[in-house]
Formats: sequence, structure tokens, C-alpha cells
Amino acid sequence: VQLVESGGGLVQPGRSLRLSCAASGFTFDDYAMDWVRQAPGKGLEWVAGISWNSGSIAYADFVKGRFTISRDNAENALYLQMNSLRAEDTALYYCAKTSSGYSYANYGVDVWGQGTTVTVSS
Amino acid sequence: DIQMTQSPSSVSASVGDRVTITCRASQGVSSWLAWYQQKPGKAPQLLISSASSLQSGVPSRFSGSGSGTAFTLTISSLQPEDFATYYCQQTNSFPITFGGGTKVEIK
Repeated sequence: VQLVESGGGLVQPGRSLRLSCAASGFTFDDYAMDWVRQAPGKGLEWVAGISWNSGSIAYADFVKGRFTISRDNAENALYLQMNSLRAEDTALYYCAKTSSGYSYANYGVDVWGQGTTVTVSS
Repeated sequence: DIQMTQSPSSVSASVGDRVTITCRASQGVSSWLAWYQQKPGKAPQLLISSASSLQSGVPSRFSGSGSGTAFTLTISSLQPEDFATYYCQQTNSFPITFGGGTKVEIK
């Protein structure tokens, strides 16, 4: 079971970035997936979650309207489109597999990627 | 939004000590509460789900209890590999939220 993130990097404030996560070793379309971030030296923050069939999608208030989570079950891939980036979005972004088909009322995140770093700076 | 408050934010303890970490929710989350361990430079690891269910492979010295708004994570006899930061997370409702973390340090 593996999650591999990509797409991070240095970007100027106001610009966009798209993160990707390649999943393997499990039946991807059985599980909800989340993005969780961690700013340098700080705690964990849930960013967004998407259900197994993309029918239920939710965001943290601080990214609502700027970020879009999506998935391609045929490609076993998860995405996070990040627009209007701000300095406070600087963080390590983890791709996370939840333990059920929905990001709520589940048994937690049982598989984590190693993360991809996003730095927003001019 | 449901706020998750962990206490203490840090604790200094010795090998063999019993350590208890508390997590309080601003609203009831039933038993939709998970605990994670994170070591420096590593991704978090799920320890406990549903407030008290130990994940496969997690040592039995870890235990969780509680429901509603008050939860605890207990390490019965602290081992050297347990020095890390611990987070609680509620998945009862959106937005999903984490506690601020508790760092367990060597005394």
C-alpha cells in the first residue's frame, strides 16, 4: 500500500499549483481520500476530503473557494488544485487514505504519503 | 466547526512512566475520534480509531478511552520509541479537525 505525492514547489503569492497523489496496493475506489497539511513546526491541518465516488466533497474553511479536490478512480489518482495561494499555505501536504468510503464518520487515516512541500513566497 | 483541544501541549516523562493525554471536543463527536503518533520528519501513524480500538501492530501499552466530548490516550509504560508528538482527530463532521498536538519528551 503506497501513496506518492508530487507537484509541490516554490510559487509566488496569488499563483496556482496542482498536487497529485498516485495510489497503489489497495482498491482505490473503495476509499475516501483526504489532503492534510503541516506548516513548518506546526500541527496537522485537514485540508479537504473526497468520498469514494466523488459524491461527497468537503473543505476546510481556510481553503474553501480557492482549492479543489478531485480524483480519477481509473488512474488511481488524487489531486488538489490550489489557486490564489497565500504565504500561509506554505506547508508539507500529505495525501491520506481514510478507512472508509467517506471522509466523515470513519476510523481515521490509515495510510499516509510522505508529503510534498509547497512554499508560497515572492 | 468542532474545536479539538489537547492537553498538555507537552509533557516530560521518563522511560517506564505512565503518560495520559487528554483531548476535548467543543461539541460531541460520539466515538469518531482517532489518535496519531508522529515522529520528526515522518508521516503520522494511526494508533487508535473509534476512540478505543487499537490498530493492528500497535503495542498494547497504548490505550484510548472516552466518548462524546472527552477522550484520553494513555501510554501505560513509556518506551524510548514512544517519544513523539501525538494528535487527536475528530471525523464526526465536516470540517474534520485535529487537536494541536502533545509532544512527549524525554525527562
